[in-house]
Amino acid sequence: KAGVTQTPRYLIKTRGQQVTLSCSPISGHRSVSWYQQTPGQGLQFLFEYFSETQRNKGNFPGRFSGRQFSNSRSEMNVSTLELGDSALYLCASSRTGAGGTEAFFGQGTRLTVV
Amino acid sequence: QQQVKQSPQSLIVQKGGIPIINCAYENTAFDYFPWYQQFPGKGPALLIAIRPDVSEKKEGRFTISFNKSAKQFSLHIMDSQPGDSATYFCAASGGQNFVFGPGTRLSVLP
Repeated sequence: KAGVTQTPRYLIKTRGQQVTLSCSPISGHRSVSWYQQTPGQGLQFLFEYFSETQRNKGNFPGRFSGRQFSNSRSEMNVSTLELGDSALYLCASSRTGAGGTEAFFGQGTRLTVV
Repeated sequence: QQQVKQSPQSLIVQKGGIPIINCAYENTAFDYFPWYQQFPGKGPALLIAIRPDVSEKKEGRFTISFNKSAKQFSLHIMDSQPGDSATYFCAASGGQNFVFGPGTRLSVLP
């Protein structure tokens, strides 16, 4: 059974640009959550999608957005990139969502904003 | 009430030692408590998890102890090895909430 796949693994973008990250969950999993991980802030929750609907949202500015497709694959978009957006972006998939079910992480996308 | 507190922030033990990482939560609606292990450059990997109907769960060298009344849970690593050196995150989940602790960086010296 394939794990959670995130693409690309590494990205370098210039300040002001936008970026789209992709996450393919484990087959049969309908929930995808996104996290930002930085050395100083740990794992910060961005948002969760379940059945193509955003179900939960963390405390991030509107420049961070996402969507989920009918096959449960999810994309995350960051517009008008800032230097502080440099981080490891992780997605996690679970069968039914955050409540009491196992969540599995992808390898992450390392975004560097220069 | 949504936070999970984790301590210590970092931990150094000798090979064979038993590092203990502690977590505490406030929200009594949490009903699932996983631990994740993360190596540099990798995503967190689910290590072991417990539900509040048991007080202890053991998988290999990893043991979770759970104290429901104190709203605390901890991870013990028996006979620790240098390969266990990683960052460990506790988490708590319930309803539609999934909250992570800030992480503990463990170093096991050979």
